[in-house]
Amino acid sequence: AQSVTQPDIHITVSEGASLELRCNYSYGATPYLFWYVQSPGQGLQLLLKYFSGDTLVQGIKGFEAEFKRSQSSFNLRKPSVHWSDAAEYFCAVAPNTGFQKLVFGTGTRLLVSP
Amino acid sequence: GAVVSQHPSRVICKSGTSVKIECRSLDFQATTMFWYRQFPKQSLMLMATSNEGSKATYEQGVEKDKFLINHASLTLSTLTVTSAHPEDSSFYICSASRGGRSYEQYFGPGTRLTVT
Repeated sequence: AQSVTQPDIHITVSEGASLELRCNYSYGATPYLFWYVQSPGQGLQLLLKYFSGDTLVQGIKGFEAEFKRSQSSFNLRKPSVHWSDAAEYFCAVAPNTGFQKLVFGTGTRLLVSP
Repeated sequence: GAVVSQHPSRVICKSGTSVKIECRSLDFQATTMFWYRQFPKQSLMLMATSNEGSKATYEQGVEKDKFLINHASLTLSTLTVTSAHPEDSSFYICSASRGGRSYEQYFGPGTRLTVT
């Protein structure tokens, strides 16, 4: 069965510092990979996705993620965090068979300190 | 574009009553809609997938008679929690997709259900 692990429940980063949120997945083949952000009162918003091709994916709001097949990882990064980035971040996978069935990690709450 | 709304945002109901949650795609036609449940400090768990005009497909362990899903139009899906119990208290989130292999699911803001 597919599973997604986000090992960090909370992360605190100073404003302006760099950020890396970790995501590891377990799946028989290379799945489709996603990062979502959830702000209070808002629906989950897609930051970026990886289907195939270049393993470094650029997303919205200055985020990027790198797919590493050998490590079954899809870590999210941002070079300089803004206070507005404080939110819950979810990594998700879906099978690459054309079936829309997202499996989410448990999320990482990002806190941004001044 | 691609806005999904949910109504209500919060609801409190008494044990034994039923409550209906609406999910609407405001600016696109949603061939497929999904219902998720999110427990505190946990991930979103897919409850069911519904295609417009068809019966919903429920995930293993989700009681279809308790969580009634209707996707009667391309812009509206409803989730009815029947005979609600306190353990049904949770955050329910819907998403909508135009379908196909685009995989873009657009999420609603969620509904907080509290059963007393």
